[in-house]
Amino acid sequence: EAGVTQFPSHSVIEKGQTVTLRCDPISGHDNLYWYRRVMGKEIKFLLHFVKESKQDESGMPNNRFLAERTGGTYSTLKVQPAELEDSGVYFCASSQDRATDTQYFGPGTRLTVL
Amino acid sequence: GEDVEQSLFLSVREGDSSVINCTYTDSSSTYLYWYKQEPGAGLQLLTYIFSNMDMKQDQRLTVLLNKKDKHLSLRIADTQTGDSAIYFCAENGDDYKLSFGAGTTVTVRA
Repeated sequence: EAGVTQFPSHSVIEKGQTVTLRCDPISGHDNLYWYRRVMGKEIKFLLHFVKESKQDESGMPNNRFLAERTGGTYSTLKVQPAELEDSGVYFCASSQDRATDTQYFGPGTRLTVL
Repeated sequence: GEDVEQSLFLSVREGDSSVINCTYTDSSSTYLYWYKQEPGAGLQLLTYIFSNMDMKQDQRLTVLLNKKDKHLSLRIADTQTGDSAIYFCAENGDDYKLSFGAGTTVTVRA
């Protein structure tokens, strides 16, 4: 069974540009989460989808971040315009059943904003 | 918000036991997790423990939970060079999003 995949693995952009990160969850997993680790600190929650609906986006830093999950399959996270403080590793995770709550993580996308 | 604290670094000799400690503040946690991140790789779920358990053993891994003190530990027996990685402690509150510590970098020396 394929795990959670993320694309790209690395992205280097200039301040003010736009970047879109993609996450493909494990097939059949309704729950999809985005997290971010900045500057070697703790991994922080960004938002949670159940199928195509946003259940909790309390961790989104500001309105420069837009997440979508059209059709309830893969998800995208767009940063527009990117700022220096957006640099970090963006992780996606999925889980099948909220009650079991075991989240399986992808390899992450390392974003560098110059 | 929930706080999860871990020591940042641990150095251990190959063959010895490693113990990584974690404290958390959210008393409503249902599960507590240990994730491992090897260099250049993603987060790998190592093990987890349900909050009504005190201990869980899985081969070389032993998880101890002291719910009264909100203290979680991971013991790795017979530590190998392949165990060098960053280990993250995480807990979920009643809203299911995970709260992580900053990660403990474990370095195994020969």
